[in-house]
Amino acid sequence: NAGVTQTPKFQVLKTGQSMTLQCAQDMNHEYMSWYRQDPGMGLRLIHYSVGAGITDQGEVPNGYNVSRSTTEDFPLRLLSAAPSQTSVYFCASSYMTGGTEAFFGQGTRLTVV
Amino acid sequence: QQQVKQSPQSLIVQKGGISIINCAYENTAFDYFPWYQQFPGKGPALLIAIRPDVSEKKEGRFTISFNKSAKQFSLHIMDSQPGDSATYFCAALDSGSARQLTFGSGTQLTVLP
Repeated sequence: NAGVTQTPKFQVLKTGQSMTLQCAQDMNHEYMSWYRQDPGMGLRLIHYSVGAGITDQGEVPNGYNVSRSTTEDFPLRLLSAAPSQTSVYFCASSYMTGGTEAFFGQGTRLTVV
Repeated sequence: QQQVKQSPQSLIVQKGGISIINCAYENTAFDYFPWYQQFPGKGPALLIAIRPDVSEKKEGRFTISFNKSAKQFSLHIMDSQPGDSATYFCAALDSGSARQLTFGSGTQLTVLP
């Protein structure tokens, strides 16, 4: 039981490049989400999904796309990387009903130069 | 607009002392208030949580105090240990709002040996 797995752990991009941050969970959670963590700002929600085929925007969605084709996977795509997207990105998952604990991955540290 | 305000930003406590972190919220629809603990290089992990129908919850050395009328809640760490040194985030959830967790800005706790 791996929990929430994020890849890669570190990435350096040049401005304008695109990339996909991967997130997979093996707990059969319906709800998955992406956050970015910046110093002094806590974790801010980028996008979330309440089930396969259903996604919605969070607080800071601009510059990011998501899709949810399976229950397990929830990739985050940076369309054209900008220095403002330098951050640590966390994927999380939880059940929609019953338990409310959110389980987080170990994060992806992204630097855009 | 930050819906959950957390203070202090950083806290230094001697071993054996009491650490206190405070949070305040605006949205009265929030019905679940977790605290997350994050060690360097790791994702946040649930530490303790409370619902607004109780005023206090204790788990070992960790206690949440909740004041519904003041819309405030706090984390108390008794007999603080160097191993408690981490970043702590308060959060709030409106269960009826697609399970979006709103996080405070975080408190970096350092417990001196």
